[in-house]
Amino acid sequence: SQKIEQNSEALNIQEGKTATLTCNYTNYSPAYLQWYRQDPGRGPVFLLLIRENEKEKRKERLKVTFDTTLKQSLFHITASQPADSATYLCALDGITGGGNKLTFGTGTQLKVEL
Amino acid sequence: DGGITQSPKYLFRKEGQNVTLSCEQNLNHDAMYWYRQDPGQGLRLIYYSQIVNDFQKGDIAEGYSVSREKKESFPLTVTSAQKNPTAFYLCASTLQPGQGASQPQHFGDGTRLSIL
Repeated sequence: SQKIEQNSEALNIQEGKTATLTCNYTNYSPAYLQWYRQDPGRGPVFLLLIRENEKEKRKERLKVTFDTTLKQSLFHITASQPADSATYLCALDGITGGGNKLTFGTGTQLKVEL
Repeated sequence: DGGITQSPKYLFRKEGQNVTLSCEQNLNHDAMYWYRQDPGQGLRLIYYSQIVNDFQKGDIAEGYSVSREKKESFPLTVTSAQKNPTAFYLCASTLQPGQGASQPQHFGDGTRLSIL
């Protein structure tokens, strides 16, 4: 069956360091991968989208990589700040049957400490 | 400002009662979605609609019903047949993706449903 894995343990890092979050998937061939940020009690907010034929995508302090051979995406936040503390979700879009149906991972909680 | 509004923020259901969660968007988006989020689990798709007067079941549709009479509105009814309704419910919308494209989903701030 299709499976998406994100590290369930919280990631604690110091302010100014680079945070790296991992999204692994099996039995799935996504055409696109999306990353979202979710704060407690709020809905997810879209951050970045990367296509299967793109190796890397950047937006300000954010960088996403997508390795379809390893079936893995890495999400990096450089120069991290306490305001970056949140849960980060990856979502796979297989573009099968239309409808833009996303399959979400469970998310990884990031805590940036002073 | 455009966005998605979910109401109420908190909702309590009695045994045997149906409750309806509201979702309204003014983004002029074509597609709308309902997800359920439980602690330690990813978002799970309940129902989605790509166009007015049409909707499809997601992965966990049992015990839920929806309607899409207007482009802006996609209410979700949690029926008494849903035996474990306590969860955080999220509504999302998106432009209809073009051929072979993917669109980001815009989410509301959720409704937390609890059983009395």
